[in-house]
Amino acid sequence: NAGVTQTPKFRVLKTGQSMTLLCAQDMNHEYMYWYRQDPGMGLRLIHYSVGEGTTAKGEVPDGYNVSRLKKQNFLLGLESAAPSQTSVYFCASTNGQGAGNEQFFGPGTRLTVL
Amino acid sequence: GQSLEQPSEVTAVEGAIVQINCTYQTSGFYGLSWYQQHDGGAPTFLSYNGLDGLEETGRFSSFLSRSDSYGYLLLQELQMKDSASYFCAREDSSYKLIFGSGTRLLVRP
Repeated sequence: NAGVTQTPKFRVLKTGQSMTLLCAQDMNHEYMYWYRQDPGMGLRLIHYSVGEGTTAKGEVPDGYNVSRLKKQNFLLGLESAAPSQTSVYFCASTNGQGAGNEQFFGPGTRLTVL
Repeated sequence: GQSLEQPSEVTAVEGAIVQINCTYQTSGFYGLSWYQQHDGGAPTFLSYNGLDGLEETGRFSSFLSRSDSYGYLLLQELQMKDSASYFCAREDSSYKLIFGSGTRLLVRP
């Protein structure tokens, strides 16, 4: 099993450009999450999904959109990138069975917006 | 914003024991998780406390006191490879995690 994978690993955008980050998991997990991590800080939840076809806002959703058309994929979109969105983006998933579920994280996408 | 507080840095000697404390806001609290993250890497799960008390996993233990809104991670027999950032995270509804800002642990020879 590959676990959680993210595409791309690195990306540089110009202000105003758009892009989509792809997260895929092969563990049949119901719950998926998108976080951003800025230097020296913890992870902040952007959006999450509790199952195929569902999405919900997290702590810092502004400027991002998400879609969960297939259970194994969770897409994060930036419609008009801003320098403030320069960050490392992590996707995670969990099976949602019982409390304290371990979240499995992807390797991250390092995004720079110029 | 972050609703968990943990020290920003801790330094310890190889072979020693170190405790990383975490206090949290109780709103919507289900439990407290701990994650480890090496520089340039992804967070990895270490431990979870849903009830008061101590959970032990090898050299790592985690403790929770709901009445004090407090928990800690205890690392024993420190090794150089334990140098990393450690995050406490409050479990919210829908298994969401709200992370603290992290504690950077430096293990010295």
